[in-house]
Amino acid sequence: KQEVTQIPAALSVPEGENLVLNCSFTDSAIYNLQWFRQDPGKGLTSLLLIQSSQREQTSGRLNASLDKSSGRSTLYIAASQPGDSATYLCASQGRVNTGKLIFGQGTTLQVKP
Amino acid sequence: NAGVTQTPKFQVLKTGQSMTLQCAQDMNHEYMSWYRQDPGMGLRLIHYSVGAGITDQGEVPNGYNVSRSTTEDFPLRLLSAAPSQTSVYFCASSYSRAGELFFGEGSRLTVL
Repeated sequence: KQEVTQIPAALSVPEGENLVLNCSFTDSAIYNLQWFRQDPGKGLTSLLLIQSSQREQTSGRLNASLDKSSGRSTLYIAASQPGDSATYLCASQGRVNTGKLIFGQGTTLQVKP
Repeated sequence: NAGVTQTPKFQVLKTGQSMTLQCAQDMNHEYMSWYRQDPGMGLRLIHYSVGAGITDQGEVPNGYNVSRSTTEDFPLRLLSAAPSQTSVYFCASSYSRAGELFFGEGSRLTVL
């Protein structure tokens, strides 16, 4: 059974710092992996979607990478801002394209001014 | 753009009561799903649908029913609410099973 882990559970950094959030998964035969952002009391917003054939995706200051052989994905945030403060979740879809996502528990990021 | 709309946003039920959480999307997405989010458990898939008339179970389907009579709507029914169903429920949709997932704002349910 696929398990998705995000470490650390919480992270606090000063504004302007570049940072990396980690996501690991136990079954390397994934179909795709998505990164989401969740603000308190809100729904999830999709940030980046990486298909299994891709190594990375970029959107603005965000870059997500995927290494299936090691069972890892990272979300790189450049020049962090207080507005980046939120919980970041990764989710993987298994080897069969069922649409079923397995979520990690998230990393709560605080960017201090 | 409305996107994915969930109603109600908040609901309090007594044990044994029934209710329906509504979900509607205006993006003509084929794929829709329901998740529950609990502290320490993360998001878990309850039921999903790959198109009108087609539904299937997710990870935690017990105590919940769904139907998909139209592309736009995917209601989640609690037949006899239990305190263990206290949670935040999210509806999500995507143009396909492998596509970017769009979430609603959530429905916070408390069962007393």
